[in-house]
Amino acid sequence: DTGVSQNPRHKITKRGQNVTFRCDPISEHNRLYWYRQTLGQGPEFLTYFQNEAQLEKSRLLSDRFSAERPKGSFSTLEIQRTEQGDSAMYLCASSSPTGYTDTQYFGPGTRLTVL
Amino acid sequence: AQSVTQLDSQVPVFEEAPVELRCNYSSSVSVYLFWYVQYPNQGLQLLLKYLSGSTLVESINGFEAEFNKSQTSFHLRKPSVHISDTAEYFCAVSLNTGGFKTIFGAGTRLFVKA
Repeated sequence: DTGVSQNPRHKITKRGQNVTFRCDPISEHNRLYWYRQTLGQGPEFLTYFQNEAQLEKSRLLSDRFSAERPKGSFSTLEIQRTEQGDSAMYLCASSSPTGYTDTQYFGPGTRLTVL
Repeated sequence: AQSVTQLDSQVPVFEEAPVELRCNYSSSVSVYLFWYVQYPNQGLQLLLKYLSGSTLVESINGFEAEFNKSQTSFHLRKPSVHISDTAEYFCAVSLNTGGFKTIFGAGTRLFVKA
């Protein structure tokens, strides 16, 4: 397995447009996470799936953001009516709980630039 | 609520010198502790973690971190750094109740000079 993959790696869009990002987790991992990272900051938690169920959403995730994981495998993150403040790196991570631990493995991220 | 404070945003150090990257956390419940590293143009990678047991944990590339419950700290150390250690280092915590939400610090940029 080659790890967590994310597509596209870079996205440039105009303000007001919709964008969608895809994350493919490590195949046996049932947990999937989305984070947002802005320049000079650590990743901020956005949302989390266990299989296909979305179990938590951060208050950072406004109504313009939606995430899905329809078959418990890959996930998509959509941002509608993008704003310049949405410009950031969007990170996906996956994990498979073994015992009591939950080590997350991160993808390379999708860098979004909103003009 | 949990929070993580990395006390230094940048740490310049000469090659082969020792280094310590400081991390303090705040939590009302027990946590798991992690250090992640992000090399230039690469994704986050887990460096080491503390779950339970021995308070001193080590990574395969010579880093170590010590969990200090009384000081709520998890500082990262290496006795002799290499140029290749230049990267951004993030301290993180998650709840040890099977917690899934991980809180990251703002990161410390380690710059190793020749």
